Amino acid sequence: GQQLNQSPQSMFIQEGEDVSMNCTSSSIFNTWLWYKQDPGEGPVLLIALYKAGELTSNGRLTAQFGITRKDSFLNISASIPSDVGIYFCAGRGEGGGADGLTFGKGTHLIIQP
Amino acid sequence: NAGVTQTPKFRILKIGQSMTLQCTQDMNHNYMYWYRQDPGMGLKLIYYSVGAGITDKGEVPNGYNVSRSTTEDFPLRLELAAPSQTSVYFCASSMTENTIYFGEGSWLTVV
Repeated sequence: GQQLNQSPQSMFIQEGEDVSMNCTSSSIFNTWLWYKQDPGEGPVLLIALYKAGELTSNGRLTAQFGITRKDSFLNISASIPSDVGIYFCAGRGEGGGADGLTFGKGTHLIIQP
Repeated sequence: NAGVTQTPKFRILKIGQSMTLQCTQDMNHNYMYWYRQDPGMGLKLIYYSVGAGITDKGEVPNGYNVSRSTTEDFPLRLELAAPSQTSVYFCASSMTENTIYFGEGSWLTVV
């Protein structure tokens, strides 16, 4: 099956710093999704990407669909305490149906005041 | 807006007991899903449905059953609970195959 590597596994940063995380896949993806999960809650969709090279922003968050179609990046600018949580990438490959969404293992973001 | 609602939020089961996790969505989505999330792991698909009356196995279906009698509801049944089924369960729905919306999760412990 498709494999998705998400890195880093965790990040300890100071408030106000910028954050970068990424996901790489072993095969070509047609869709990349980025989710955030707060403690005790379900994942919430942040950004959806559907086209190679696409760059999409949602407030201080920016995500890109890699040109090779095998990677995606999420950047958070000027981090604030409420950015703490687990960020998941998810991707769907060519021909993937409703069961074809693969999730990364998550990046734990911890912000030190 | 309710979105995806799942109950119960927390449950402790004894080995061999059975239970049903309820899930309902009010967005008229065709697609519904059940995922489980284990510590340090991504989400694993248990079962999914592309419409009322249609269900299919995901990556980890063993020990579970589902039904989809209506568009709104997609209950997940555990027949003989085992410790390996201790996990956090998420129901989700989507209009298309892409943007999936999740419920708040159900924490299940089997002892």
